[in-house]
Amino acid sequence: DADVTQTPRNRITKTGKRIMLECSQTKGHDRMYWYRQDPGLGLRLIYYSFDVKDINKGEISDGYSVSRQAQAKFSLSLESAIPNQTALYFCATSDSPQGHHRAEAFFGQGTRLTVV
Amino acid sequence: AQTVTQSQPEMSVQEAETVTLSCTYDTSENNYYLFWYKQPPSRQMILVIRQEAYKQQNATENRFSVNFQKAAKSFSLKISDSQLGDTAMYFCAFQGNRDDKIIFGKGTRLHILP
Repeated sequence: DADVTQTPRNRITKTGKRIMLECSQTKGHDRMYWYRQDPGLGLRLIYYSFDVKDINKGEISDGYSVSRQAQAKFSLSLESAIPNQTALYFCATSDSPQGHHRAEAFFGQGTRLTVV
Repeated sequence: AQTVTQSQPEMSVQEAETVTLSCTYDTSENNYYLFWYKQPPSRQMILVIRQEAYKQQNATENRFSVNFQKAAKSFSLKISDSQLGDTAMYFCAFQGNRDDKIIFGKGTRLHILP
């Protein structure tokens, strides 16, 4: 089984619909991230969380919300999807780079979301 | 705020040649981490190499090595003896010690030609 699992892998939804992307991890990491990838724009940070009670906005949080239900689960919601939210979405986890932990992000397989 | 800049949107090289991908970053922190990630057509994100800023020695992983210039805030990736399987998007990334978030550059699409 993958260490970081995203569901669904692909999704087509209509404008105005609410959609949730889910992420779960078995790495035991505290830190979880949501990114979106667009051609020519790289990966842009939407939200990140350092523990269940610590949620932070990234550079492009407008139109998105998140929920950290448990250490292992971090969901991304689009309350009212719009076509320019069509993108590839990645969830990632990492340990704190401080202390003895090796700094590295582990990624899910990505969710291809299309809003029509 | 930290930023990561990759100035080469796309590159092509012949198989077996050496290629260097550029990355510059901006930060006020002294301790941080830098990464190169590879994204093949499968879209999976794969860590290629990491560098701790407090280490002066450049990181090396088999055919992959970096040229880390801390004062210049430059972190380039060199791929030696390039192979067809190296064809992918390559992302440079930064993780600071202050808030731990990981930020990425826009990527360089690398084509290895037979």
